[in-house]
Amino acid sequence: DGGITQSPKYLFRKEGQNVTLSCEQNLNHDAMYWYRQDPGQGLRLIYYSQIVNDFQKGDIAEGYSVSREKKESFPLTVTSAQKNPTAFYLCASSMKSGVAFFGQGTRLTVV
Amino acid sequence: AQSVTQLDSQVPVFEEAPVELRCNYSSSVSVYLFWYVQYPNQGLQLLLKYLSGSTLVESINGFEAEFNKSQTSFHLRKPSVHISDTAEYFCAVLSGSYIPTFGRGTSLIVHP
Repeated sequence: DGGITQSPKYLFRKEGQNVTLSCEQNLNHDAMYWYRQDPGQGLRLIYYSQIVNDFQKGDIAEGYSVSREKKESFPLTVTSAQKNPTAFYLCASSMKSGVAFFGQGTRLTVV
Repeated sequence: AQSVTQLDSQVPVFEEAPVELRCNYSSSVSVYLFWYVQYPNQGLQLLLKYLSGSTLVESINGFEAEFNKSQTSFHLRKPSVHISDTAEYFCAVLSGSYIPTFGRGTSLIVHP
């Protein structure tokens, strides 16, 4: 089945630690996106990539980093510089000017 | 630049009553419009989309939305809601930048 897979579903981070969230798609989509979701704030764009080996900052990129070495994969690293990382993180992919398909999300909690 | 405004953060309604979730957008170019639904602790699922053609679009579970260019709106409606429709609903717009922009979401709460 074609789709987009995020892992892990739940992730706990200690203060000062970097963590990486995985996002893989087998839809052959060119574009991939990372969004952060907080209660009452909707979805805010962190990073996006429209082609392999290229990515752009979104509205809230500070404290995050990404890579796009393969078309299928777009991992997100939450660095220690992100002071308030507790949130629900959503990965999505799409063809250019097409429907965005979402993964099931990763809930990150700082402990 | 494109933006989306969902006018209601929460809409409570009784089962079998009609409902409308409002969405307005702004964009300087032609747009594609979407409604997504999100159940607790899950990702977003596409509910319906407007790309071109008929301005009235329908989903398989009874929702419909109408693209109104003059009012820059894409309101979501259902004539009779069920308990299972309780969820968060997001309106999204896609235009020249090809980066989807989402509204803040509307929480639909269906009471028995």
